[in-house]
Amino acid sequence: QKEVEQDPGPLSVPEGAIVSLNCTYSNSAFQYFMWYRQYSRKGPELLMYTYSSGNKEDGRFTAQVDKSSKYISLFIRDSQPSDSATYLCASALGGGATNKLIFGTGTLLAVQP
Amino acid sequence: DAGVIQSPRHEVTEMGQEVTLRCKPISGHNSLFWYRQTMMRGLELLIYFNNNVPIDDSGMPEDRFSAKMPNASFSTLKIQPSEPRDSAVYFCASSLTDSNQPQHFGDGTRLSIL
Repeated sequence: QKEVEQDPGPLSVPEGAIVSLNCTYSNSAFQYFMWYRQYSRKGPELLMYTYSSGNKEDGRFTAQVDKSSKYISLFIRDSQPSDSATYLCASALGGGATNKLIFGTGTLLAVQP
Repeated sequence: DAGVIQSPRHEVTEMGQEVTLRCKPISGHNSLFWYRQTMMRGLELLIYFNNNVPIDDSGMPEDRFSAKMPNASFSTLKIQPSEPRDSAVYFCASSLTDSNQPQHFGDGTRLSIL
């Protein structure tokens, strides 16, 4: 079993829809949770970074962590065609840059105009 | 500001050949990471350096893989001899160690071993 599991999709939604992307993790010691966005033939770029449980909002994006169920979510409101990309969740034991990030395999999202 | 720069962007070579991937981290960053991405296994950490010193190489798959960081602005990942199963996209990332700043990724090297 991978430490971080993610549905690979693909997920196709119409423009303007609310998108829900999810991951589960197995290591209860994970404290830091991240979402990266990766466009085709590009490197991952950090979208959201959260510590422990709770919500964090940034514009149209909301990250949610439920440590009791080991569940990580990313919500995208008013989705746009430019949001079409692969979304990777990642977890780490600590917050320092040298703490090993464990990535999910990514969910491919397509937002149809 | 220039981001993480990787070269080459694409590499196609025959099995058994030596492959060298290169990375220039963001200036001032003191941690550097090498990742491999495949459809089946996703993004996996191979090795990371802190202040040019290898800290954790537990993700390096075999002795055929080696990585060096001779100075703060340059790192290489070498595969010798290469095999078809090494075909993947290899990413380099850099960050500041003593903060919660994220890892910044390059655009990767797409490697195909025939």
